[in-house]
Amino acid sequence: QVQLQQWGAGLLKPSETLSLTCAVYGGSFSGYYWSWIRQPPGKGLQWIGEVNHRGITNYNPSLMSRFTISLDTSKNQFSLKLNSVTAADTAVYYCARINSGGRFGDYYYYIDVWGKGTTVTVSS
Amino acid sequence: SSELTQDPAVSVALGQTVRITCQGDSLRNYYASWYQQKPGQAPVLVIYGQNSRPSGIPDRFSGSRSGNTASLTITGAQAEDEADYYCDSGNHLVVFGGGTKLTVL
Repeated sequence: QVQLQQWGAGLLKPSETLSLTCAVYGGSFSGYYWSWIRQPPGKGLQWIGEVNHRGITNYNPSLMSRFTISLDTSKNQFSLKLNSVTAADTAVYYCARINSGGRFGDYYYYIDVWGKGTTVTVSS
Repeated sequence: SSELTQDPAVSVALGQTVRITCQGDSLRNYYASWYQQKPGQAPVLVIYGQNSRPSGIPDRFSGSRSGNTASLTITGAQAEDEADYYCDSGNHLVVFGGGTKLTVL
């Protein structure tokens, strides 16, 4: 049973750097996308981006590439960084695994494993 | 368009059937996944693919698709089903719907 354990600073001042790490336990890095998702207080889910086991990344275009996702396969970890945070970045941040199924030409993807979430508050 | 539209709130009487919908052009090509989120908890996958349930999800949850609309149906809703429900685009470049708050009366 794959588990994700995430950690990072929960209280930041404006202009500081958000840094979160997610460790993967009980499973392989290969064959999946590893993702970060956030949820502002009282609002819905927002996909930030993903990295695969080769280190190829994709990001939500609406977030204007403010985020950087990286991985460390030697430690089975992946990370999220955001420079110059503002109050608008206050949210619960989740790491997650994107799995896939189906057959050629009819693939589908789904998020089957979630971390517990890290509450990040940006306040002066 | 990559947007997914969900009704903000839906209610159902205990034991009755409710359908939660998700509309978007991308759903013509991909199967939406559905997630249940209770207050203070991480989302939980309840439906994926054509109509698959992860282990531990009750069979009262089912999924379907017609054209650009995906549906999550709960047959015989229980009190514990009261939660927020989110669909996604079924693509690894994930887009989420805005969420539907389900109230069980």
